[in-house]
Amino acid sequence: DAGVIQSPRHEVTEMGQEVTLRCKPISGHNSLFWYRQTMMRGLELLIYFNNNVPIDDSGMPEDRFSAKMPNASFSTLKIQPSEPRDSAVYFCASSLSAGRESQPQHFGDGTRLSIL
Amino acid sequence: SQKIEQNSEALNIQEGKTATLTCNYTNYSPAYLQWYRQDPGRGPVFLLLIRENEKEKRKERLKVTFDTTLKQSLFHITASQPADSATYLCALEDGAGNMLTFGGGTRLMVKP
Repeated sequence: DAGVIQSPRHEVTEMGQEVTLRCKPISGHNSLFWYRQTMMRGLELLIYFNNNVPIDDSGMPEDRFSAKMPNASFSTLKIQPSEPRDSAVYFCASSLSAGRESQPQHFGDGTRLSIL
Repeated sequence: SQKIEQNSEALNIQEGKTATLTCNYTNYSPAYLQWYRQDPGRGPVFLLLIRENEKEKRKERLKVTFDTTLKQSLFHITASQPADSATYLCALEDGAGNMLTFGGGTRLMVKP
């Protein structure tokens, strides 16, 4: 079975440019998560979707960040305009939500973003 | 404020020994605790989940304990192998949804 697929794997761009990260969750999963990982702050949750609806975006750092999930098989995380401090590895994860019972999350291999 | 602490220093052990990693938390009442493994350049991979009313969970060479009084989880790898070398992350969930809060991870190095 295909896992969570993220693209691109690496992105290098200049500050001020728009950056779009893409994620295809595991088929049948109804929850999707975007995380950011840095050495200083570790793995941080940015936003969480359930059944394509954003449930909690309190981790989104600024208005420059936005995320969409137009259908069950695709999500994007957009940064506009990008800044050097946005440099990090961005992960997408999906899970099969089952009420209040905790479920494992399945992660993609991330997008390594460098803003010059 | 809520805090999850894992030893930020790498743990170096000899092959065949038992590795024990610690996850401590404060100002948090998790209903569930999960452990993940992360290899360089890869995303975290789920290993084990334990509920607040479970004291211990085992899977092959892995064992997790969860002490809600001490606010601590221990993660054990018995008969460790060099292939177990990776960073191990604990993650807490309060049971109100599916959102996880991750610790900073501990890097394990198993030497042959």
